[in-house]
Amino acid sequence: ELKVEQNPLFLSMQEGKNYTIYCNYSTTSDRLYWYRQDPGKSLESLFVLLSNGAVKQEGRLMASLDTKARLSTLHITAAVHDLSATYFCAGRNGNKLVFGAGTILRVKS
Amino acid sequence: DTEVTQTPKHLVMGMTNKKSLKCEQHMGHRAMYWYKQKAKKPPELMFVYSYEKLSINESVPSRFSPECPNSSLLNLHLHALQPEDSALYLCASSQPLAWTYNEQFFGPGTRLTVL
Repeated sequence: ELKVEQNPLFLSMQEGKNYTIYCNYSTTSDRLYWYRQDPGKSLESLFVLLSNGAVKQEGRLMASLDTKARLSTLHITAAVHDLSATYFCAGRNGNKLVFGAGTILRVKS
Repeated sequence: DTEVTQTPKHLVMGMTNKKSLKCEQHMGHRAMYWYKQKAKKPPELMFVYSYEKLSINESVPSRFSPECPNSSLLNLHLHALQPEDSALYLCASSQPLAWTYNEQFFGPGTRLTVL
């Protein structure tokens, strides 16, 4: 059974600094997803990572995947306030997404 | 059109009521999903439809009854719910499993309150 663990669960960030969220998964997952959720809103797809060594970047966010270590990271560069949200990683088990617990990001001025 | 729509946005119902949640997508996706999300928790999968057939039921109580009338529509029929069923109900759709990019696109959700 696929299990997905994220850490940290809460991240208080200062504007302008860099941070990383880690996502470990327990068994083979042929895709790794990152989603963002704003309070009271739905989930927005950020990245889909398909293969070992995959790296994708969008603005201040960069996601990478190491399938051998069963680890994905979401790197935040020079945090800004509008990045405050909850970020979920998810692995795939057949037609099911298995989500991590989520990381709450808060950016302080 | 890259949108999943859900109605209603908010629903308040009593424990004896019958109501339905609706979800629609026009992206040509052949897999559709219902999730339940409690506050500060990740979404929990409830049901998966693949090519309009129910393929996964995550041991959901029978007071929740899904229906997929066609490839664009997904309903969730609710009957005799309990207060602990209050949550955000999210619908999602994706390309079939075998497609390379079968990321799930989520609708805005229905905020359900059971009194």
